[in-house]
Amino acid sequence: DADVTQTPRNRITKTGKRIMLECSQTKGHDRMYWYRQDPGLGLRLIYYSFDVKDINKGEISDGYSVSRQAQAKFSLSLESAIPNQTALYFCATSEGTGRSNEKLFFGSGTQLSVL
Amino acid sequence: AQKITQTQPGMFVQEKEAVTLDCTYDTSDQSYGLFWYKQPSSGEMIFLIYQGSYDEQNATEGRYSLNFQKARKSANLVISASQLGDSAMYFCAMSPNAGNMLTFGGGTRLMVKP
Repeated sequence: DADVTQTPRNRITKTGKRIMLECSQTKGHDRMYWYRQDPGLGLRLIYYSFDVKDINKGEISDGYSVSRQAQAKFSLSLESAIPNQTALYFCATSEGTGRSNEKLFFGSGTQLSVL
Repeated sequence: AQKITQTQPGMFVQEKEAVTLDCTYDTSDQSYGLFWYKQPSSGEMIFLIYQGSYDEQNATEGRYSLNFQKARKSANLVISASQLGDSAMYFCAMSPNAGNMLTFGGGTRLMVKP
């Protein structure tokens, strides 16, 4: 089983709909992140959480919200989806040492299309 | 603010040859980390190699090595003896001294020709 699981893997929705992307992890990591990937732009940070009570905005948080329901669960919501939110979304985790060598562990991604 | 630049959107390399993927970065931090990730067509992100800003030697992991030139702020990935399975997107990323909010470059698509 994957250590970082994202659901759904693919989602097509319509403009204006509310949608939630879910992420769960079995790695026991404190830190969790949501990134989106767009062609030519790489991955950009949407939100991150260093523990259950800590939520922080990333580079591109407008139009998104998150919830850290437990150490193992971090969900991303689009309150009213728009077409330019069509992207590949990644959840990631890290141990939480805070050192610069701490790598991220990624889920398999959720391809979201907003029509 | 940190910035990562990958100037090669796409590259071809002949199987069994070596290839260098470019990465330059901009930061005001003295201590930072540099990473390379591989993304095959299946979409997952695979960690390849890490270099710390204070590491005196270039990092190596099997066929991957990181050509780190601190004064030039570059962290190029070198893949030796390319294989067909190396065809993928490659991302350079940087982490600050504290926290792990990786900043990614735009990526380079590598295509290995048989």
